[in-house]
Amino acid sequence: KAGVTQTPRYLIKTRGQQVTLSCSPISGHRSVSWYQQTPGQGLQFLFEYFSETQRNKGNFPGRFSGRQFSNSRSEMNVSTLELGDSALYLCASSLLGAQREQYFGPGTRLTVT
Amino acid sequence: GQQVMQIPQYQHVQEGEDFTTYCNSSTTLSNIQWYKQRPGGHPVFLIQLVKSGEVKKQKRLTFQFGEAKKNSSLHITATQTTDVGTYFCAGPVSQGGSEKLVFGKGMKLTVNP
Repeated sequence: KAGVTQTPRYLIKTRGQQVTLSCSPISGHRSVSWYQQTPGQGLQFLFEYFSETQRNKGNFPGRFSGRQFSNSRSEMNVSTLELGDSALYLCASSLLGAQREQYFGPGTRLTVT
Repeated sequence: GQQVMQIPQYQHVQEGEDFTTYCNSSTTLSNIQWYKQRPGGHPVFLIQLVKSGEVKKQKRLTFQFGEAKKNSSLHITATQTTDVGTYFCAGPVSQGGSEKLVFGKGMKLTVNP
């Protein structure tokens, strides 16, 4: 089976702009979770989508949003970018949900200048 | 909120040495998972432990879940340069009727050949 794919792999944006990241899960996985990884904070859970519904949300401001499509592909949007949003954004898919084994994609490295 | 702590955060060993890293949760966990992230890569699922006192082995890696299901350990025998990376433990946390994974900050392993 093909693994989790994420696009784009690298992105440079300026403060105030918005960005959309895309994730295609492993075939058959209906759960897609998004994580933010930074050196200081480690891996932090953003949200999980399961069958097109947001099932869980982490402690991030409303500027971070997401959605999932009927084919389980997911997008994450960050509006009004801040310097502190610079991070590696990882998408993970799972057969059983956000609390079970996660299969991560390669990530999108976002740099905000 | 629930925390998952890993100690030590950094470990430097000589090739061939054994070492153990620990993961502690502030609450009882239904399961604990371990992931490995190579430098420049993404987290890769290694194993999940579910039962109290459970021990699982993967070649030179031995994983253990504590009797109280609040802690876990990873022991690596005869460390090799291929073991280099950051090892994360993660446990599920209930939130709003569903669960998400909370990750420890990771243990970064470097190996001197």
